[in-house]
Amino acid sequence: DQQVKQNSPSLSVQEGRISILNCDYTNSMFDYFLWYKKYPAEGPTFLISISSIKDKNEDGRFTVFLNKSAKHLSLHIVPSQPGDSAVYFCAAQGGGGADGLTFGKGTHLIIQP
Amino acid sequence: EAGVAQSPRYKIIEKRQSVAFWCNPISGHATLYWYQQILGQGPKLLIQFQNNGVVDDSQLPKDRFSAERLKGVDSTLKIQPAKLEDSAVYLCASSLRDLQAQFFGPGTRLTVL
Repeated sequence: DQQVKQNSPSLSVQEGRISILNCDYTNSMFDYFLWYKKYPAEGPTFLISISSIKDKNEDGRFTVFLNKSAKHLSLHIVPSQPGDSAVYFCAAQGGGGADGLTFGKGTHLIIQP
Repeated sequence: EAGVAQSPRYKIIEKRQSVAFWCNPISGHATLYWYQQILGQGPKLLIQFQNNGVVDDSQLPKDRFSAERLKGVDSTLKIQPAKLEDSAVYLCASSLRDLQAQFFGPGTRLTVL
């Protein structure tokens, strides 16, 4: 069973607008959540993370929101830029941040000029 | 700071052959992970090392996969014998400590014919 779900395989957004990527999880033992960005033929690159004790974390154009009661998190990118076009993976971690990551299937974000 | 190094980048073998992948983590990173990413899926954890000890290998198919991390630095992942379904990208990641992001190498793309 999938413990981390990204239900949108792809998302198309106009340059300059907000991109919102969503992620749901089922395991209440997860206590650390991360977003990774992946370009073709490269490994995933860490983007931003959030601990389960917070509901928001911001880093430049990237903001992650966590709703623990709904077991839902989202990544907001404002404003979206052409270089943001990539596959975005949501990942979750238990064990106080010591375990391996459980990934979703990814969302392919396409930024249109 | 150098990133996670992996080799080879690409490997093509026939089923029932054996293959080995090598990973050199970021200097000073105590925790090392191997993930398998099948096309269209998110990475799946195979094994996690803390220094040279195994922390989690619950998802490693031990009848054909093996991994070691000698001296707590470099690591090798071996498949013997390979099956068609082992075709995937094998990613190595490392992290400094708990609640720190994992940094990924570029991966090794394995094709089993």
